[in-house]
Amino acid sequence: QSALTQPASVSGSPGQSITISCTGTDSDVGAYNYVSWYQLHPDTAPKVLIYDVTKRPSQISDRFSGSKSGNTASLTISGLQPEDEADYYCCSYGGANNHWVFGGGTKVTVL
Amino acid sequence: QVQLVQSGPEVRRPGASVKVSCKTSDYAFKTFGLNWVRQAPGRGLEWMGWISGYDGSTQYPQKFLGRVTLTTDPSTATAYMELRSLRFDDTAVYYCARIYSGSYSYYYYYMDVWGKGTTVVVSS
Repeated sequence: QSALTQPASVSGSPGQSITISCTGTDSDVGAYNYVSWYQLHPDTAPKVLIYDVTKRPSQISDRFSGSKSGNTASLTISGLQPEDEADYYCCSYGGANNHWVFGGGTKVTVL
Repeated sequence: QVQLVQSGPEVRRPGASVKVSCKTSDYAFKTFGLNWVRQAPGRGLEWMGWISGYDGSTQYPQKFLGRVTLTTDPSTATAYMELRSLRFDDTAVYYCARIYSGSYSYYYYYMDVWGKGTTVVVSS
């Protein structure tokens, strides 16, 4: 069982917006503004989409955005596109005892 | 272009050991550390440890203490992850991932470049 809880799957039609939640605890997501999101396509290197809860690397489309409220972080994908079909993982810094905690992953399907 | 090139797939018997390599390129090796993360079939990502490119200092989660050893060879800008006493549930894809960090400390709190992963299968 993963430390952070994500929905197993989320789906949407092209052009729609979807949101993936990531629920942790007071010791990780709630304690630090160090939530990051990663996109995994088969046989390719994972890619960081969001870091520090809301920041986006320069090469990442602004269709991806992040937020956090309490112990729950969220990733929103706007204007869903076929190439967004992938697995998405959240990650949080968890402090000195368990530096990095991950979610169980969410499979996004573009209908 | 920054790349992390990992070694090829491995098959091991239960009880054996495996050593996965991660060769880095096009960046100052000492400026970054490397996290090792794995994904077992049908499961989420799991952090296995971190090593500093600056001085080789390491951090491990309790779960892997004593069974995982992370090392680096600065002369070839390569990092290694050795996992011992393999069990069937160690079957997974193992990733190295770069993180801006120094000695026993992170400067940034995310992994900006990842390798493509190395599949390790534990089978009798």
